[in-house]
Amino acid sequence: KQEVTQIPAALSVPEGENLVLNCSFTDSAIYNLQWFRQDPGKGLTSLLLIQSSQREQTSGRLNASLDKSSGRSTLYIAASQPGDSATYLCAVRPFKARNNNDMRFGAGTRLTVKP
Amino acid sequence: ETGVTQSPTHLIKTRGQQVTLRCSSQSGHNTVSWYQQALGQGPQFIFQYYREEENGRGNFPPRFSGLQFPNYSSELNVNALELDDSALYLCASSLQGRDEQFFGPGTRLTVL
Repeated sequence: KQEVTQIPAALSVPEGENLVLNCSFTDSAIYNLQWFRQDPGKGLTSLLLIQSSQREQTSGRLNASLDKSSGRSTLYIAASQPGDSATYLCAVRPFKARNNNDMRFGAGTRLTVKP
Repeated sequence: ETGVTQSPTHLIKTRGQQVTLRCSSQSGHNTVSWYQQALGQGPQFIFQYYREEENGRGNFPPRFSGLQFPNYSSELNVNALELDDSALYLCASSLQGRDEQFFGPGTRLTVL
């Protein structure tokens, strides 16, 4: 059974700092991995999607890496801003679920960026 | 292009009642997925509909059921509500065969 863990559960940093969020998963047979952002009480916004054959994806100040063999992904946020404050969720789509949306989510890292 | 919308925003029910939640897909999307997110947890996949048929289901009992309509909008029905059903219910739409999903704002269900 695929389990997804995110560390730390919460993180508070001063504005301008670079930071790394971690995600680990137990089964390396994945189809893809996705990072989402969730604001309090709201839906999810997709940030980056990495296919199993890829090592990283970049979008603006965000960079996500994937090491399938070790079951790890990191989300790097450069030059953090107060507007980055949100919960960041990692989701793994197992290979056997490649034809549907049965993704397995971590519990998230709640990020606070202080001005 | 309109995004994914869900109704109602909030809902309060009592144990044993039944509830219907609604979702309108993003324009052009033919697949709808539903997720349950308990407080402080990540979302859990309930099921997915494509062409009005369920084509994937997570570990949820049969009292969770759904429908997809010809216009690709969808309903989630939950019978015999239990206290543990209290959660944020998220709907996501996508194009079949495409990986990216677009999520709605969710419906907050409270069961008393």
